[in-house]
Amino acid sequence: GENVEQHPSTLSVQEGDSAVIKCTYSDSASNYFPWYKQELGKRPQLIIDIRSNVGEKKDQRIAVTLNKTAKHFSLHITETQPEDSAVYFCAASNQAGTALIFGKGTTLSVSS
Amino acid sequence: DVKVTQSSRYLVKRTGEKVFLECVQDMDHENMFWYRQDPGLGLRLIYFSYDVKMKEKGDIPEGYSVSREKKERFSLILESASTNQTSMYLCASSLSQRDQFFGPGTRLTVL
Repeated sequence: GENVEQHPSTLSVQEGDSAVIKCTYSDSASNYFPWYKQELGKRPQLIIDIRSNVGEKKDQRIAVTLNKTAKHFSLHITETQPEDSAVYFCAASNQAGTALIFGKGTTLSVSS
Repeated sequence: DVKVTQSSRYLVKRTGEKVFLECVQDMDHENMFWYRQDPGLGLRLIYFSYDVKMKEKGDIPEGYSVSREKKERFSLILESASTNQTSMYLCASSLSQRDQFFGPGTRLTVL
């Protein structure tokens, strides 16, 4: 079935370092790839998304890259800050385009 | 701002009880979703609906049903609650092919 694998499950970095989270998806028909951030006790919120006709998208300190041939996409956070500490979820649209398939999440800890 | 609300933040029920979780969105979104979130398992889709009275099974529909009588409201029903349904339940809504907006979640404990 449709599946999204996310790695690593936990990531610890020092403030100011970069963090990279990687996801792979199984369905070549997926064409929408959002990333969500969930702070402790709060709801997931969209931080960046990319569509299949674009290879890279950047918004200040965060960027997402997409390799459709390899079915990989990645989240890059530069100059990490303690407030970046959260669980990050990647997702890919399902074949019908009606729902999202989520990865299992990455817990990012940024220490000062 | 899109607002997605859920009827309860915390709920405690007994095994065998029928449980209703309600979700309301105020942005006229056609799509609504129910997920459960468990540590290490991420967000797993239970059911979704792309129109009034329409529903589709997600990855883990067993033990659940849903109802969507009005566009803004999507209800999740546990017909006979069991302890393995203790979890955080998240509702979300979206326009077609767009990102999803989540509610605050309901933490359900089944004793």
